[in-house]
Amino acid sequence: DAGVIQSPRHEVTEMGQEVTLRCKPISGHDYLFWYRQTMMRGLELLIYFNNNVPIDDSGMPEDRFSAKMPNASFSTLKIQPSEPRDSAVYFCASSFNWEQFFGPGTRLTVL
Amino acid sequence: AQKITQTQPGMFVQEKEAVTLDCTYDTSDPSYGLFWYKQPSSGEMIFLIYQGSYDQQNATEGRYSLNFQKARKSANLVISASQLGDSAMYFCAMREGAGANSKLTFGKGITLSVRP
Repeated sequence: DAGVIQSPRHEVTEMGQEVTLRCKPISGHDYLFWYRQTMMRGLELLIYFNNNVPIDDSGMPEDRFSAKMPNASFSTLKIQPSEPRDSAVYFCASSFNWEQFFGPGTRLTVL
Repeated sequence: AQKITQTQPGMFVQEKEAVTLDCTYDTSDPSYGLFWYKQPSSGEMIFLIYQGSYDQQNATEGRYSLNFQKARKSANLVISASQLGDSAMYFCAMREGAGANSKLTFGKGITLSVRP
């Protein structure tokens, strides 16, 4: 299995632009998680899905952030408009039991 | 109150020696799980070991073991026979509730450096 796939691996954009991060979970996993990692706040959960349905989005910082999971093999995290404080590494993880498998992350830099 | 506390700012260990990384947690839920992840400089998150709150024995996975002290609410990671490749950031995390799948709350992490 290829593991959790995230794209792009690196993204540099300017403030105000729309950013879309993509994730393909491991086949057969029914849970998908989006995390954000910064030096100041550490690793924090943004949102997670079960069977494509959002279960808990209490970690989504603002209305500028939105996440979708249109099918079992694809999810997106969108930031519109982006701000410099959104600069972070964004991880996607998937699971079918207690162990979460993480993707390689997307390093986002907003100038 | 923080749910996961990792207070050691940075740890150093000599190659081939054992090292303990501390983690304390806070929950009122009787059912929970504790995890340790490793994050090397390349950035990926690697699962190391898991301990369930009802597990009778401490979890072990190769050179990793978890010193689970339920009454003290601590779940320290012990790495035996340290290797240079163990140099990384280590995160303790907790899942609360009986459901196998629920969100993880992570600690701030501990940096481990293994000296040759």
